[in-house]
Amino acid sequence: QQQVKQSPQSLIVQKGGISIINCAYENTAFDYFPWYQQFPGKGPALLIAIRPDVSEKKEGRFTISFNKSAKQFSLHIMDSQPGDSATYFCAASNNDMRFGAGTRLTVKP
Amino acid sequence: EAQVTQNPRYLITVTGKKLTVTCSQNMNHEYMSWYRQDPGLGLRQIYYSMNVEVTDKGDVPEGYKVSRKEKRNFPLILESPSPNQTSLYFCASSFGRGEKLFFGSGTQLSVL
Repeated sequence: QQQVKQSPQSLIVQKGGISIINCAYENTAFDYFPWYQQFPGKGPALLIAIRPDVSEKKEGRFTISFNKSAKQFSLHIMDSQPGDSATYFCAASNNDMRFGAGTRLTVKP
Repeated sequence: EAQVTQNPRYLITVTGKKLTVTCSQNMNHEYMSWYRQDPGLGLRQIYYSMNVEVTDKGDVPEGYKVSRKEKRNFPLILESPSPNQTSLYFCASSFGRGEKLFFGSGTQLSVL
């Protein structure tokens, strides 16, 4: 049973739009919540991460929103670009890293 | 350049023929791990190693073996591959367990 549930499975967004990917977890012991970005033929690479002591973290066009009480966190990509087209994985960790199933994002020009 | 190198990138084999996928990292990381990636299932951990000579099972260890004789190397061994092990495999390393992972480029394995 997946410990981190991710949605949607796929997402199509127009250039300049906002992409939103959501994740939910059950284990309250998780204390590190990263997002990984994977381009075709490559391994996943860390995009942005958050600890549960803050509710939001922003790096450029990428923002993580974290809701500890709801045990949910999400990735927002502002002004989405075709170069953002990739698969995105959320994850949660307190020792072992647990990954969501992934979201394939396509940004149309 | 800091990196995790795994070989080969592509591998086609037949059922029962032993194979090894190599993994090496040059970042002096203590922690190394193997994952398999399947559509709709994300990344699932096969085995991990906290340090030299210390390995432990992940979520899907059946049919796999690993060894950690040196800090930089962490090979994945399939003694008798079966078709359900057809998958995309990733090696990863980090300074510590549960911390930022650095991934290799992947090995696409097909078992016929």
